[in-house]
Amino acid sequence: EAQVTQNPRYLITVTGKKLTVTCSQNMNHEYMSWYRQDPGLGLRQIYYSMNVEVTDKGDVPEGYKVSRKEKRNFPLILESPSPNQTSLYFCASSPEYQETQYFGPGTRLLVL
Amino acid sequence: RKEVEQDPGPFNVPEGATVAFNCTYSNSASQSFFWYRQDCRKEPKLLMSVYSSGNEDGRFTAQLNRASQYISLLIRDSKLSDSATYLCVVNSKGNFNKFYFGSGTKLNVKP
Repeated sequence: EAQVTQNPRYLITVTGKKLTVTCSQNMNHEYMSWYRQDPGLGLRQIYYSMNVEVTDKGDVPEGYKVSRKEKRNFPLILESPSPNQTSLYFCASSPEYQETQYFGPGTRLLVL
Repeated sequence: RKEVEQDPGPFNVPEGATVAFNCTYSNSASQSFFWYRQDCRKEPKLLMSVYSSGNEDGRFTAQLNRASQYISLLIRDSKLSDSATYLCVVNSKGNFNKFYFGSGTKLNVKP
């Protein structure tokens, strides 16, 4: 089944404790992206990747890192999480950057 | 100014009604336009792409007005299952290979 998977789906952590949210797609898509969704603000793009080893900042990259060592995986790294990073995070992929995006199920993160 | 703006609603309509949403975008260089549907904080799912000539998919019709920089979504014969939040999405070509999402318009279809 074609899909985007994210892990973990739910995470509670404390300020400053490094964490990684994994994202994987099995559709051989070139474009992958991370978003956060907050009430009243909609989805905001954190980072995106046009292809392996090619990543770039979205609108809200501060406090996040990403890597794209393999085409299928695009992990989101929070080196030192802070409470303002409490949010719902979505990973997405698409065949190319202008095409339909397919979203993962989301990761709910609470930073205490 | 936000890249994409939508009326948050909610739009409360009876079953069978016709409802329309608009979405405005700020970047005249935008190339691709989409409507996504999101149910109760689940992942967004594509409803339809929006083409320059307008397009229809069953009860749903999408229009693009480049001169006024807005896109619209028309839903005819609303069903209870249409209740959701509708997200307008725009992306820009060139240096900005990014997607911009509106904050969504909530639709409640009531019996």
